[in-house]
Amino acid sequence: KAGVTQTPRYLIKTRGQQVTLSCSPISGHRSVSWYQQTPGQGLQFLFEYFSETQRNKGNFPGRFSGRQFSNSRSEMNVSTLELGDSALYLCASSTRTGYGYTFGSGTRLTVV
Amino acid sequence: GENVEQHPSTLSVQEGDSAVIKCTYSDSASNYFPWYKQELGKGPQLIIDIRSNVGEKKDQRIAVTLNKTAKHFSLHITETQPEDSAVYFCAATNSLQGGSEKLVFGKGTKLTVNP
Repeated sequence: KAGVTQTPRYLIKTRGQQVTLSCSPISGHRSVSWYQQTPGQGLQFLFEYFSETQRNKGNFPGRFSGRQFSNSRSEMNVSTLELGDSALYLCASSTRTGYGYTFGSGTRLTVV
Repeated sequence: GENVEQHPSTLSVQEGDSAVIKCTYSDSASNYFPWYKQELGKGPQLIIDIRSNVGEKKDQRIAVTLNKTAKHFSLHITETQPEDSAVYFCAATNSLQGGSEKLVFGKGTKLTVNP
């Protein structure tokens, strides 16, 4: 079956702009989480959605937001981009929260 | 909150040798411990996981052990092959049924298997 699909794979944005990243989970998976991966901080939790509800949020500023649609697809948005937002953004899906997350290949965001 | 420490940060072994990566966690309520393998340009891939009611789990050349008292868990790879070369991450979470808890990851171990 198809894995977790993230689009786009690569993105270059300018400081101050905003960006929207998309994630299509594995069919039947209702839980979607987002993580930021950087060389310095490693993998850090952004937020998790289950059945269109945000169930948990990490320690990121309000510029980071997300949502989940009725078909379980999810988007995350970063507004007023800063250089430090450059990272690999990973989406993971699961049939139930907390277990067996399958990650996508990520979106590589570069802020210049 | 939960904190996960992972050691070593880099590990180099000869093909055929064993590799061991160790993690410690701080929150005694954590009850689910997955291990992920990340190859260059790809997302992390779940390779094995263990729940707190189990002390050891094996899957072919990979095994994970958990010591709840000491709050540490380890990944063991036997008969290593060059294709095992990757970055490995441990993680921990308190995963309540119907609840929602984030995965807290270690900083990763870059494993190199030399032919």
